[in-house]
Amino acid sequence: GENVEQHPSTLSVQEGDSAVIKCTYSDSASNYFPWYKQELGKRPQLIIDIRSNVGEKKDQRIAVTLNKTAKHFSLHITETQPEDSAVYFCAANANTGFQKLVFGTGTRLLVSP
Amino acid sequence: GAGVSQSPRYKVAKRGQDVALRCDPISGHVSLFWYQQALGQGPEFLTYFQNEAQLDKSGLPSDRFFAERPEGSVSTLKIQRTQQEDSAVYLCASSYGDGPYEQYFGPGTRLTVT
Repeated sequence: GENVEQHPSTLSVQEGDSAVIKCTYSDSASNYFPWYKQELGKRPQLIIDIRSNVGEKKDQRIAVTLNKTAKHFSLHITETQPEDSAVYFCAANANTGFQKLVFGTGTRLLVSP
Repeated sequence: GAGVSQSPRYKVAKRGQDVALRCDPISGHVSLFWYQQALGQGPEFLTYFQNEAQLDKSGLPSDRFFAERPEGSVSTLKIQRTQQEDSAVYLCASSYGDGPYEQYFGPGTRLTVT
């Protein structure tokens, strides 16, 4: 089945710097890759997603890139702000006919003012 | 419109008790998922419904776990004879179709088994 690895597990940056989180997946049949932001005690919230028919997607300060050949995808946050501090999870769909998501282990991002 | 809601938000159960966790998905969403999130970990898939049909229950950790969605809307996750290892946050998510579509999560139920 699908396996998703995520790194780093923690990332500390200064406000205004960029942050990059990387994930790899194992199942070449996966075709949907969402990223979720989860603040302490809150629900995971979808911040951006990408499908396998595109290589890059951008939404304001957030971008995601996908390399299908290498089976890895990355989240890029530019001009980080303290409110970006949270745990970020990548995921890939287990494309077995039912669209369950397999999540990475999470990256705790801390943005210091 | 209203998002996914779950109740109760917190549940404390003594070991051996049965618990029932409720999920109200976004109206009109066909797909409903249950995930379990242990402290410091990512959500892990438990089970999936398409309307009232439970199409995948491969993630349920034991036969003490049971889920239903009898009318294709509200879903209940039941855990019988709770054990300490069942302590976790149980997340429900719903999605428009059978996908892949965006999955929208509820706030979760934090279950603590003492």
